[in-house]
Amino acid sequence: DVKVTQSSRYLVKRTGEKVFLECVQDMDHENMFWYRQDPGLGLRLIYFSYDVKMKEKGDIPEGYSVSREKKERFSLILESASTNQTSMYLCASTTRAGSYEQYFGPGTRLTVT
Amino acid sequence: DAKTTQPPSMDCAEGRAANLPCNHSTISGNEYVYWYRQIHSQGPQYIIHGLKNNETNEMASLIITEDRKSSTLILPHATLRDTAVYYCIVRPHRNFNKFYFGSGTKLNVKP
Repeated sequence: DVKVTQSSRYLVKRTGEKVFLECVQDMDHENMFWYRQDPGLGLRLIYFSYDVKMKEKGDIPEGYSVSREKKERFSLILESASTNQTSMYLCASTTRAGSYEQYFGPGTRLTVT
Repeated sequence: DAKTTQPPSMDCAEGRAANLPCNHSTISGNEYVYWYRQIHSQGPQYIIHGLKNNETNEMASLIITEDRKSSTLILPHATLRDTAVYYCIVRPHRNFNKFYFGSGTKLNVKP
């Protein structure tokens, strides 16, 4: 079974703090994604990566950056957390070729106070 | 921007088939129908997808109408662990940017 793990299930941070969210997948997948999930807005793509050291902006990259130094690990960074970044953050991965399904991690519920 | 319409909730008796409908009347020719579910406090889980033919896997069956404007997800023998929010999504193949989950259907499986 594919496993996607995220470093924390729940996180509380203060406004202005730098926040690191880590995601690790164990199936040698090329593609990795970061989404946020908010009520009524569904999932919105923040960033994705097709390979090590490669990254592409999604629909809402402002206020976020990412890092992919190793194939299995994709990190989301909030440079200076703000209250409007309070959300559920979901990491996902897929294989490169012909993949229909994304495998999601359990999510990190981030609260910025 | 949700392109699908689903009932907000449904009940199903344990062991019976659960039939979850979805309307997607504006679906384009290159868009697939995907179903995911999300159990409380967990990430979404892929169930099944289809383009125009009916599909079956170990989890469920997907019935797509001939005009592709609606579909039904069938869980043949629902269990209590199938209680979740089920999302019907339409999108082009491998277009992971667009993932409009909408509100989904909360399926309550009851003993």
